[in-house]
Amino acid sequence: SAVISQKPSRDICQRGTSLTIQCQVDSQVTMMFWYRQQPGQSLTLIATANQGSEATYESGFVIDKFPISRPNLTFSTLTVSNLSPEDSSIYLCSVEAGGLLEQFFGPGTRLTVL
Amino acid sequence: DAKTTQPPSMDCAEGRAANLPCNHSTISGNEYVYWYRQIHSQGPQYIIHGLKNNETNEMASLIITEDRKSSTLILPHATLRDTAVYYCIVVRSGNTGKLIFGQGTTLQVKP
Repeated sequence: SAVISQKPSRDICQRGTSLTIQCQVDSQVTMMFWYRQQPGQSLTLIATANQGSEATYESGFVIDKFPISRPNLTFSTLTVSNLSPEDSSIYLCSVEAGGLLEQFFGPGTRLTVL
Repeated sequence: DAKTTQPPSMDCAEGRAANLPCNHSTISGNEYVYWYRQIHSQGPQYIIHGLKNNETNEMASLIITEDRKSSTLILPHATLRDTAVYYCIVVRSGNTGKLIFGQGTTLQVKP
């Protein structure tokens, strides 16, 4: 299994600013994933982050808006840039750990943009 | 990846079995059926997965029809803590990291 922590757990930000979300895993993992969950909706994959390479973004998500860093095998950050109220969501990271075919999710970061 | 269809909501009495159906009629031979659940205000939690055979673990059983076009997740003795949104997801072999979440089934376990 894998234990994932995220910081911050929640934040309230002003329009036009940015928020960087941290994801820390208790073991080394190759692939990390970032998801968005808009209010009342299910999860949508934003991007896949592999250590040592550029993140791969899903359709509708771009690097300028959601830059991702993956400096090592246990850590990743997602920045949500130029915030607007439409960015108010829960952002979750997940990992596929230890050769298992299941994903482990962090507790999420709840972002509110005013 | 194949799409899935689930009922939007279901109720279950505490202590009874909860049977959650999922249709995945366009599933391919190299695609697995995964189930996750999301309890309110938490990240999704893996429950079980299968390819062709029925599977059972400490949380649930997964019954996959012979033609693989549908499946049922069974929680044998539902408790109030099983109240959650349950997602049935079809995932291609080798691509288990990319989960495409549908709207899922909201299971309400009632006392």
